[in-house]
Amino acid sequence: IAGITQAPTSQILAAGRRMTLRCTQDMRHNAMYWYRQDLGLGLRLIHYSNTAGTTGKGEVPDGYSVSRANTDDFPLTLASAVPSQTSVYFCASSDSNSVSEQFFGPGTRLTVL
Amino acid sequence: AQSVSQHNHHVILSEAASLELGCNYSYGGTVNLFWYVQYPGQHLQLLLKYFSGDPLVKGIKGFEAEFIKSKFSFNLRKPSVQWSDTAEYFCAARWGGSYIPTFGRGTSLIVHP
Repeated sequence: IAGITQAPTSQILAAGRRMTLRCTQDMRHNAMYWYRQDLGLGLRLIHYSNTAGTTGKGEVPDGYSVSRANTDDFPLTLASAVPSQTSVYFCASSDSNSVSEQFFGPGTRLTVL
Repeated sequence: AQSVSQHNHHVILSEAASLELGCNYSYGGTVNLFWYVQYPGQHLQLLLKYFSGDPLVKGIKGFEAEFIKSKFSFNLRKPSVQWSDTAEYFCAARWGGSYIPTFGRGTSLIVHP
């Protein structure tokens, strides 16, 4: 593994189904983030974590949950998917200080029908 | 709430033209600034960042940005664009000691050969 990996690459999901997007980093970064990217709206922060065991809500957290059991993994769960959650989801990581840049994963394209 | 504004949503240029993409951030004390690029179908990657020192920052691929504190601006420039610069460009800011950045909505750049 080099950098950040995300799985799956893409997924088509029926509304009401539960889905977990996986994210793993091998850079030992303390901070991890989940964003959704929608046309015209840029990147919006869903949830974040600054260290294992702690998480926080971003700009658009409703309908999503996260966990941070260890440094490397930061899964994002949609408990009951809705069509408005159709988006491209990016996981990112960084050192937890104000000068470090974020490193982004390749993204997961999710379609909820 | 602190914010980042990118006023140019879509920019279309011919090869060899000069580029300037605007980015303004709201006041909030000490700020660290970033420009990221997202090539078609890829994830975001860092172009350049400013956190102190020389306000003119040089990044990869011939890009540069100038931090003008009095104007709350961090505009991205390139003297001569190439077709391969076609991408989405995001400005981001972090204030104070926060490690969580705020992103602008992005600017889509299309360069015609």
